[in-house]
Amino acid sequence: KAGVTQTPRYLIKTRGQQVTLSCSPISGHRSVSWYQQTPGQGLQFLFEYFSETQRNKGNFPGRFSGRQFSNSRSEMNVSTLELGDSALYLCASSLAVRVGNTEAFFGQGTRLTVV
Amino acid sequence: AQSVTQLDSHVSVSEGTPVLLRCNYSSSYSPSLFWYVQHPNKGLQLLLKYTSAATLVKGINGFEAEFKKSETSFHLTKPSAHMSDAAEYFCVVSDRFAGANNLFFGTGTRLTVIP
Repeated sequence: KAGVTQTPRYLIKTRGQQVTLSCSPISGHRSVSWYQQTPGQGLQFLFEYFSETQRNKGNFPGRFSGRQFSNSRSEMNVSTLELGDSALYLCASSLAVRVGNTEAFFGQGTRLTVV
Repeated sequence: AQSVTQLDSHVSVSEGTPVLLRCNYSSSYSPSLFWYVQHPNKGLQLLLKYTSAATLVKGINGFEAEFKKSETSFHLTKPSAHMSDAAEYFCVVSDRFAGANNLFFGTGTRLTVIP
C-alpha cells in the first residue's frame, strides 16, 4: 500500500510569506503528526491530529498551525516566514490511537528554504 | 517528562565489525522506545520498537536492542556492519499512557562505515 505522501518535496519562500504543506497518511491511519528537523534543534514535535482534532501541540509559536480533513489528510501552515523556519518538515501517520503503541510511518518530508 | 540522550553524535566502524549506538532515556511513565534510521534525503524508517514485551528486541537488517530498565538504556547493536548501514540513527521515546501523544527524538548518531 502507498506510504505517507508529502507535497511538495521542496519549497523556496521569502521572508514574510506564508506556506502550506500537505501530508496524505497511509490509508486507514487517522493520526497524523508533524515534526520539524533542523541541524541545530534536531527533530521537534509540532502537533498531532486525530479525527480532525488537534490533540497535542509542541512548543512552537502561533505562526505554525495545522488542520486535518475528514479523509485524514493534513496540512500545516506557517505564516510570516522567518529565516529560522528553514527546515525539513516531516509528517508521520499512525494507526493506533496512541503513537506510543505502534509504529509511526514517516513521509520523505518537505524541505523548506526561506530566503 | 520524556527525553532521550544519544551518547555519541558520530560513530565510525569498519565494515564487518560490530556496531554499538548508545541511548539513555528518561520517562515518567511506561515508555515505548524506538530506533529509527534516516538515510540521506530519505524519510525515517523504523528499525525496531520496544513496547513492554520482550526486553531484547530484534529489528530489521540484523539490528537489535536491549531494554534495560535498571540502567534506563536502550542501546542499538549489530554484529557486523555493512556499508549500507551508513546513516543517521535516532533513539525515540514515547510514553504509552501519558496524555501527550508524540515522539521525543534524540539528537541522532551518524554512523560511518569504513570499507
